[in-house]
Amino acid sequence: QKEVEQNSGPLSVPEGAIASLNCTYSDRGSQSFFWYRQYSGKSPELIMFIYSNGDKEDGRFTAQLNKASQYVSLLIRDSQPSDSATYLCAVNMRGGSYIPTFGRGTSLIVHP
Amino acid sequence: DAGVIQSPRHEVTEMGQEVTLRCKPISGHNSLFWYRQTMMRGLELLIYFNNNVPIDDSGMPEDRFSAKMPNASFSTLKIQPSEPRDSAVYFCATRGGGEKLFFGSGTQLSVL
Repeated sequence: QKEVEQNSGPLSVPEGAIASLNCTYSDRGSQSFFWYRQYSGKSPELIMFIYSNGDKEDGRFTAQLNKASQYVSLLIRDSQPSDSATYLCAVNMRGGSYIPTFGRGTSLIVHP
Repeated sequence: DAGVIQSPRHEVTEMGQEVTLRCKPISGHNSLFWYRQTMMRGLELLIYFNNNVPIDDSGMPEDRFSAKMPNASFSTLKIQPSEPRDSAVYFCATRGGGEKLFFGSGTQLSVL
C-alpha cells in the first residue's frame, strides 16, 4: 500500500488562478515533507520543503503542513502555463535514514 | 558541477538480455538512490547507498535486479534477465549534507 497519497488529476486551472495540490501520508512520525516538480520527459526537481506545522512561502509557492491531519499541500498563486507539470509529494518517514517516499504525483494543467 | 550523470539515456533490448544502467553522482554526495518510475506505480525506491554501502534494498523487485557502488563516483543497476515488465524510467538521485535529492536525467528502458 502506497504510504503517500495524491490525486493523480489532471487538475486544470486557468492562467492567473490559484492551483491547490494535496497530499496525505500514513506515518504520523514523519518529519520532513517535500514538493518536487516534474516536467514531461524530465527528472524531478525540488521546489519546496517544509518541516513545521503551518505555512511556508517562497515566491508564488506556499507549502502548508498539518501534522495532526497528516496532510501537506502546495498552493501556486498566479498560475502560469509554465507551471504545467506533475507535482510529486515526498515524505521522509520515521527512521534515521531519511529515505524519501514519493506519491504518484498530480498532473497540473494551466490553460491560457 | 555537471550534476548527476546517467547513461544510457535510452535502452531498448529484448527479453532475456542483460541490462546495465550507470550513474555518476555529484562529487561529495554520500547518499545515492535508484528509483524506478512507471505510470501505474509512480516513483519507487529500489535501493539506497550511503557512503558506498547498501543500506536499504527492500525495494529491489527480485533476484534479477542487482546494484553496486564500487566507489564514491560510480554506481550500476543491473537487470539479468530482463523482462517486458521491467520497462520504465530508472532514475539515479544523490544527496549531500541536506535532504534535497538531485536527480539524473533518467534512463528510459524498453524491454521487448
